[in-house]
Amino acid sequence: GESVGLHLPTLSVQEGDNSIINCAYSNSASDYFIWYKQESGKGPQFIIDIRSNMDKRQGQRVTVLLNKTVKHLSLQIAATQPGDSAVYFCAERRRSGGYNKLIFGAGTRLAVHP
Amino acid sequence: EPEVTQTPSHQVTQMGQEVILRCVPISNHLYFYWYRQILGQKVEFLVSFYNNEISEKSEIFDDQFSVERPDGSNFTLKIRSTKLEDSAMYFCASSEALLADGGSQYFGPGTRLLVL
Repeated sequence: GESVGLHLPTLSVQEGDNSIINCAYSNSASDYFIWYKQESGKGPQFIIDIRSNMDKRQGQRVTVLLNKTVKHLSLQIAATQPGDSAVYFCAERRRSGGYNKLIFGAGTRLAVHP
Repeated sequence: EPEVTQTPSHQVTQMGQEVILRCVPISNHLYFYWYRQILGQKVEFLVSFYNNEISEKSEIFDDQFSVERPDGSNFTLKIRSTKLEDSAMYFCASSEALLADGGSQYFGPGTRLLVL
């Protein structure tokens, strides 16, 4: 079935390095994507979003890239810090699947080592 | 910074009992949601609510579930007769606008429900 999935379940990086977290989606009708960060025992925290009419969006230390040709989304975190350690989820809105609901991926755990 | 709050943080109940999970969305937000996350699994959409009525619901949101906005600040999820498989973390979220209009959904810290 159609799904949002993640390539890597766990990503380990050194403090100060750049991190790239990937997400593949299979529904070409998806038109809006959000990256969330979830720390242990907390709710998903909004990081950055992107619409399907864009291919790149930058925030503070984070960049989201969208490649609609291969249905791939990535989150880049510059100069990764220990506080970035968390599980990261991509979520999508599907035009055909529900007007206002988000479909979440499985999550990637980011572990930042000093 | 405004945030979504939820109470209680943890709830333990016996199978068959009713539970009410409470949420206070961000004050200027108009759209409200419940999601759940079974331990180790994905976050799943349950229901969205706008203008005092359900606008969308998933197949999980059956007749045992209901939502209500009893006053101008609270948004509740009721499970009438809990089952073991209802054990999960329940997240409330709210947004200022629809996703289509760039209304990002902001999540609360969750209520961990354990059904025994």
